[in-house]
Amino acid sequence: DTAVSQTPKYLVTQMGNDKSIKCEQNLGHDTMYWYKQDSKKFLKIMFSYNNKELIINETVPNRFSPKSPDKAHLNLHINSLELGDSAVYFCASSLGPASGRVSYEQYFGPGTRLTVT
Amino acid sequence: AQSVAQPEDQVNVAEGNPLTVKCTYSVSGNPYLFWYVQYPNRGLQFLLKYITGDNLVKGSYGFEAEFNKSQTSFHLKKPSALVSDSALYFCAVRPHNTDKLIFGTGTRLQVFP
Repeated sequence: DTAVSQTPKYLVTQMGNDKSIKCEQNLGHDTMYWYKQDSKKFLKIMFSYNNKELIINETVPNRFSPKSPDKAHLNLHINSLELGDSAVYFCASSLGPASGRVSYEQYFGPGTRLTVT
Repeated sequence: AQSVAQPEDQVNVAEGNPLTVKCTYSVSGNPYLFWYVQYPNRGLQFLLKYITGDNLVKGSYGFEAEFNKSQTSFHLKKPSALVSDSALYFCAVRPHNTDKLIFGTGTRLQVFP
């Protein structure tokens, strides 16, 4: 299936731990994103990468570090987890202008529900 | 500041009736406009977009949206609602000079049989 996939789907951990969320897309897109959806369903962008290069960093704490080993993967590592990090994290991808085939819309993964206790 | 407003937290409509979910935006220039739908415990699904051209755009599942530049609005519409349309709907804008999407706060659509 062509899609944006994320692992794990659920993540429950204690404060102070370090955890990672993985994202992969097989849509041939060159731009990937991380969004955070809080308990009130508000969605906000965190990062975007274009062809492994960081493009957007929206005032996210340094504890969050994205890593893009190639343009099909964008992982999110979170250090020293805090209660306020509990949220659903969505990965997304799109075709950027550099590809010559801009699609404008972004395609989202199923989300990772992170619960910090 | 750039923002998207969805003034209704919830819209209730009877099955078979037309529905409208409202969206207005405050973004400089001519942004790209999108609607997404989120079903419970699922990711966001792309419904439709306005980039340029005809102000009325058609999308998935019979939904359409009308771009109104003077009112900076992009309301989502469907002529005849289905119970299965019940979900959370997000309006989003993408300013021309960035890849990021700015989302509204979402509107929960409830279609009653």
